[in-house]
Amino acid sequence: GAVVSQHPSWVICKSGTSVKIECRSLDFQATTMFWYRQFPKQSLMLMATSNEGSKATYEQGVEKDKFLINHASLTLSTLTVTSAHPEDSSFYICSARDPSGTIEQYFGPGTRLTVT
Amino acid sequence: GIQVEQSPPDLILQEGANSTLRCNFSDSVNNLQWFHQNPWGQLINLFYIPSGTKQNGRLSATTVATERYSLLYISSSQTTDSGVYFCAVDSNDYKLSFGAGTTVTVRA
Repeated sequence: GAVVSQHPSWVICKSGTSVKIECRSLDFQATTMFWYRQFPKQSLMLMATSNEGSKATYEQGVEKDKFLINHASLTLSTLTVTSAHPEDSSFYICSARDPSGTIEQYFGPGTRLTVT
Repeated sequence: GIQVEQSPPDLILQEGANSTLRCNFSDSVNNLQWFHQNPWGQLINLFYIPSGTKQNGRLSATTVATERYSLLYISSSQTTDSGVYFCAVDSNDYKLSFGAGTTVTVRA
């Protein structure tokens, strides 16, 4: 199956700082990637859809100015959490599908963000 | 949006037992996937199964699209099967909606 990577695996930052998370498709090109957030003991919730070469689309209730998404190439999408606060602490996961295959989606290993 | 319900929420099994997890969804779907989330949080793709039946080793899945449900079967469970199992669907836009998950604990 297709491989998606994320970096970093975990990050600790101070309140008020910004953090960038990278999502890469390693063996395919992805025109669309997705960003999810998972709080402890909960399910995954879609935050936004990252579109190569155009603006991301955000789900209802997700602040686009706080969660900046840039899909600069066909293999890389980045999520920047700006002015992070403790309530932003969560597990962030990206996904993508290989457009040459089925619509099956593949997920990165996730990034655990802790804001102190 | 499309609603996804999984049952049971928790399942405790003795090693070697068989089990069935269920996923109900509220609308027709283009995509249905089953995942196993390991202790480190990685989602492992188990099945891409918008309809029909598939088997992979001790795991199998069946989706009856006309009745809007899918079943995941675990046979001869092992301790390594422990974790959270998620069902996720999308109707027409590649955006996956996840169920709440079933937490499986397999005891030796």
